[in-house]
This record gives sequence, C-alpha cells and structure tokens, in this order.
Amino acid sequence: KQEVTQIPAALSVPEGENLVLNCSFTDSAIYNLQWFRQDPGKGLTSLLLIQSSQREQTSGRLNASLDKSSGRSTLYIAASQPGDSATYLCAVRRGNAGNMLTFGGGTRLMVKP
Amino acid sequence: DAGVIQSPRHEVTEMGQEVTLRCKPISGHNSLFWYRQTMMRGLELLIYFNNNVPIDDSGMPEDRFSAKMPNASFSTLKIQPSEPRDSAVYFCASTTTNNQPQHFGDGTRLSIL
Repeated sequence: KQEVTQIPAALSVPEGENLVLNCSFTDSAIYNLQWFRQDPGKGLTSLLLIQSSQREQTSGRLNASLDKSSGRSTLYIAASQPGDSATYLCAVRRGNAGNMLTFGGGTRLMVKP
Repeated sequence: DAGVIQSPRHEVTEMGQEVTLRCKPISGHNSLFWYRQTMMRGLELLIYFNNNVPIDDSGMPEDRFSAKMPNASFSTLKIQPSEPRDSAVYFCASTTTNNQPQHFGDGTRLSIL
C-alpha cells in the first residue's frame, strides 16, 4: 500500500527566505506526482505535476523535483512572500490503478512579513 | 471556466438524517472523484468515476455511503443514516486524462450533531 509522508508538518519562515518542502513515498511505481496548495476553507489548487519520467518542473518561483528511485520529491519556493502562506500537499498517482491519487498529510506554511 | 461546483458549502444536520452532497464537474472532464478530509486522516479518496461509471469505490467507508453519477455533468454523494463521525469536509474533483491535474471544488463542510 502506497504511503505518502510530508515533513515538516508545519513551517514558519520570514518573508524573502528560500525554502524546501519535502515529500516521500513508499512505492516507487508511480505514474506522476503532483503538488497542490490549499488555502483555509478552500479546495486544492494544482501547482505542479511531474511525470514519472521527469526530474523536475518549474512554474514561476516554484520548482518541484522528483527522485523516483529514492521515493522523494521536493518543492522549492524562492523568495517566499506572505501570500505563499497555505498548506501544501503532495500526491502520487498510483501506477497501475487508473487516475487515483494518494495524498500526504501536508505542510502548513506561514510566511511572516 | 466555472470550475468544479459543489453544493451546499455548509451542512449541519442531526445524526440519523439523510445527507446529499452535490457536484458539477468541469465541462468536458470525464473523470470525477469524491474525497473526504479530516484532521485525523487527511485527504482520503472515497470513489472514482470514469465516463460516469464507478471504477473504484474501495474508499467508501460503509454501506451508509453511496455515490451516483447519472450524467457527465452531475454527481451526488449520499450518507444515510448520517453519524457524528461523518463530520468532515467533502471535496469533489474532476479531470480529463491521466496526465492532467485534478481540479477541486471548494468542498462541503458537513457537521453531524
């Protein structure tokens, strides 16, 4: 059974700092990995999707990397801003079971002005 | 693009009552997912439809839960009878293909008293 873990569960940083969020998964037979952002009282917004054959994806100040063999992914946020404050979740799509995702518990990020 | 639309946004009811949650996926999306989010268990997949057909309902917790998708633009998740432990935020998500991110609605916050 696939298990996805995100460490740390919560993180507080001053504005402007570069930071890294971690995601690990137990079964390397994944199809893709996605990073989502969740604001309080809202649904999830997809940030980046990395296919299993890719090593990284970039969007603006965000960069996500994937090391399938070691079961790890990182989300790098450059020059953090207070507006980046949210919960960040990673999810892996199971390689052999349709389009279903297994989610990590999330990292709650607070960027202080 | 109106996004995934869920109703109601909030529902408070007494235990034993029937609860029906509704979802309208993004037009053109052929996969629909129901998730449940709680502090204790995080985000869990309940059921997954592809082209209106239930593909995997292994996440549905009990026979009290049922889901239908009568057409491509509408799905319901029903709980009958409801119990306090069903209190959670229920999300609906949709997508087009396996390589595209899932788009989430804003969720229904359900409280069973």
